[in-house]
Amino acid sequence: LAKTTQPISMDSYEGQEVNITCSHNNIATNDYITWYQQFPSQGPRFIIQGYKTKVTNEVASLFIPADRKSSTLSLPRVSLSDTAVYYCLVVDDKIIFGKGTRLHILP
Amino acid sequence: NAGVMQNPRHLVRRRGQEARLRCSPMKGHSHVYWYRQLPEEGLKFMVYLQKENIIDESGMPKERFSAEFPKEGPSILRIQQVVRGDSAAYFCASSPSSYEQYFGPGTRLTVT
Repeated sequence: LAKTTQPISMDSYEGQEVNITCSHNNIATNDYITWYQQFPSQGPRFIIQGYKTKVTNEVASLFIPADRKSSTLSLPRVSLSDTAVYYCLVVDDKIIFGKGTRLHILP
Repeated sequence: NAGVMQNPRHLVRRRGQEARLRCSPMKGHSHVYWYRQLPEEGLKFMVYLQKENIIDESGMPKERFSAEFPKEGPSILRIQQVVRGDSAAYFCASSPSSYEQYFGPGTRLTVT
């Protein structure tokens, strides 16, 4: 199973773009890269998923370099409500959550 | 389309009692996953089920824990003879496939 490594915590300010990078050196050919967001006392919420290059949706963008050994979640113009834990996962047939990145948005 | 439903949301049990946690997947989803989360920790995979079948239970403790997903009705996570260390938030997720998962609000189990 591919293991992911991401920063334990990050701080940013409202209106800024936030980039959270995750490393997954052992990613396999069939693995997808998925990001989830979790607020306190709630279940995780799917944000975005990609396999290579760039994926964008209404919430975020996901950048994946050619070697796929890392990925970057980009949150444009964050607000206070984006304060949450963000999990990077490499998905084959089982989803393994690490401790995630605690993002704290400051006013 | 209602989301994943879990009940109860909060459950208090004394040591030695049984805990039953229920999960109703989203309509059309035949894959169900159970996770456990301790405070300040990430989610830990417990078991993956499809209708009437356990696909992967590698994360389940060998004793006292069991899970089922019958042909009709919700998925059930059962913990027998609960101990204080079982206190945690238990999340259920459902999926139409094995990639994207939709999580329920969780059941917070407190063992006194």
